[in-house]
Amino acid sequence: EIVLTQSPGTLSLSPGERATLSCRASQSVSSTYLAWYQQKPGQAPRLLIYGASSRATGIPDRFSGSGSGTDFTLTISRLEPEDFAVYYCQQYGSSLTFGGGTKVEIK
Amino acid sequence: QVQLQESGPGLVKPSETLSLTCTVSGDSISNYYWSWIRQPPGKGLEWIAYIYYSGSTNYNPSLKSRVTISVDTSKTQFSLKLSSVTAADTAVYYCARGRVHWNFDLWGRGTLVTVSS
Repeated sequence: EIVLTQSPGTLSLSPGERATLSCRASQSVSSTYLAWYQQKPGQAPRLLIYGASSRATGIPDRFSGSGSGTDFTLTISRLEPEDFAVYYCQQYGSSLTFGGGTKVEIK
Repeated sequence: QVQLQESGPGLVKPSETLSLTCTVSGDSISNYYWSWIRQPPGKGLEWIAYIYYSGSTNYNPSLKSRVTISVDTSKTQFSLKLSSVTAADTAVYYCARGRVHWNFDLWGRGTLVTVSS
């Protein structure tokens, strides 16, 4: 099973700042099968990025994804108030796993 | 507008079987992978299983011995059964629509299932 490790666990930033979230895999992951989700309290996760770098329908262009192999990054260029949430990466290889999440909180 | 809605008991006794159904409205159940994903309170996401509309399935290896997923295309529903539950199975259970490259673009609102006597 591929383990996804997200860092940092918590990111404290102010609106307007840039957020950089990391997702590291225990073995190589095909970029095709790497996705990112946003989850707000009491809500289901929402797909942000699929294929490591493609934005899902309706996702603002301040969200971008990059990376390959074992290292992937989600970047939020300028944080809006509604972006403070928990973010998960997810992969499909031999099985399907999620990372432990990164909480982006208001500083 | 396509929507997913989970339904089932919110309380299950230890050692019993948890049963949930997801109803898909607004579209056919064909051509997608339909999954169950859970989230223990305050914790992260765990994929449980998926089923293709044709009936092919795949399970999380850590849960495989206790999980059954099924689909009823005529009712546009798919279901989850998790046997021999313990308190560790207490979680919000989500149903979700999986696309061809294994990402989930549509989720139900989730239903909390508590395992307790």
